[in-house]
Amino acid sequence: EAGVAQSPRYKIIEKRQSVAFWCNPISGHATLYWYQQILGQGPKLLIQFQNNGVVDDSQLPKDRFSAERLKGVDSTLKIQPAKLEDSAVYLCASSLTGTSGGKTQYFGPGTRLLVL
Amino acid sequence: AQSVTQLGSHVSVSEGALVLLRCNYSSSVPPYLFWYVQYPNQGLQLLLKYTTGATLVKGINGFEAEFKKSETSFHLTKPSAHMSDAAEYFCAVSFDKLIFGTGTRLQVFP
Repeated sequence: EAGVAQSPRYKIIEKRQSVAFWCNPISGHATLYWYQQILGQGPKLLIQFQNNGVVDDSQLPKDRFSAERLKGVDSTLKIQPAKLEDSAVYLCASSLTGTSGGKTQYFGPGTRLLVL
Repeated sequence: AQSVTQLGSHVSVSEGALVLLRCNYSSSVPPYLFWYVQYPNQGLQLLLKYTTGATLVKGINGFEAEFKKSETSFHLTKPSAHMSDAAEYFCAVSFDKLIFGTGTRLQVFP
């Protein structure tokens, strides 16, 4: 089966510009996650969707980050305006359901963002 | 609050040697435990996970990990390292969401 798809793979922008990342989860996976992975650290959850509803966005910097999953499939993560500290890899993951912490999450290849 | 500690940000072994990557967790009750591997410029791939049942968990590529409740540990091992095992390894704990450790970079020398 096809894995989690993400685009673009790389993005370079200047601070204060806006940027958007796209994710297409594995077919049939109801739960979608966005993670931020700063160099030298483990991934940190930004937001979790169950179908098209937000389950957890407690660590999403809502003053500049936004995410949507309008039809319960694809998702877009946006940063506006970007700051230098937003330079990171943004990973998208999906799972069959998110109600149990034991469910396996499948990760996409990530989008590497560099903010200059 | 849950947390994960990976001892050693870098581990180097010779090809054919034992691989041991350490992971300790902090949680009031036993959580779900995971090991993921990340190759350069790729996403994370699940190696193995512990949910319930047998405490020795076997994963892909010859890796295994043992859940030790008394030591709050979930160390990852492989009897004989291969050059292709060189990657970043992340331990993670979960109840309702994954919390990752900071990772251990494994280098394998010929």
